[in-house]
Amino acid sequence: AQSVTQPDIHITVSEGASLELRCNYSYGATPYLFWYVQSPGQGLQLLLKYFSGDTLVQGIKGFEAEFKRSQSSFNLRKPSVHWSDAAEYFCAVVPWGQNFVFGPGTRLSVLP
Amino acid sequence: EAQVTQNPRYLITVTGKKLTVTCSQNMNHEYMSWYRQDPGLGLRQIYYSMNVEVTDKGDVPEGYKVSRKEKRNFPLILESPSPNQTSLYFCASSCQGSYEQYFGPGTRLTVT
Repeated sequence: AQSVTQPDIHITVSEGASLELRCNYSYGATPYLFWYVQSPGQGLQLLLKYFSGDTLVQGIKGFEAEFKRSQSSFNLRKPSVHWSDAAEYFCAVVPWGQNFVFGPGTRLSVLP
Repeated sequence: EAQVTQNPRYLITVTGKKLTVTCSQNMNHEYMSWYRQDPGLGLRQIYYSMNVEVTDKGDVPEGYKVSRKEKRNFPLILESPSPNQTSLYFCASSCQGSYEQYFGPGTRLTVT
């Protein structure tokens, strides 16, 4: 079945540590790819997107993501996490001719 | 300030009592959409609208109605709410074809 998966429901990292959040999709053709962040009590904010071209994309707040076609993945990374990064992160895709499909989300906790 | 607004932010109601959640955007966006967010399921699309008087079903439209009489407004109507519609609802908008959705702050609905 076509879907977007985020294997980690909850991740805890220490402040200053590196972060990688995983996202995998199962669609025949490469969809448009997105990462959104939802801070507590807030709406979703776009971190970055990939449509085509360079497979390493830079976003806001120091985040980056790498598209790997062979693995159908679009993992989000940050080299050094700040306490303010604690939030829920959603991977989303737009398959060809369809609307947004969101993953289930990964909740990030940051230890001081 | 560019924004998407939703009202009310919180609503507790009883089964069967019709309600409307309003959504308004000030960015002259053509595309608007409603999502519901449930734990472990991410965001699921309820309805979307490509422009005035053009609406279509998303993935979970049952029990909901929408209308798009003006470009800036996209209300969500629950004619006869049921407890399984208890959820967090988000409205979003974007320029046609940009896929960069701007989200409202959310409406937490409880149906008893």
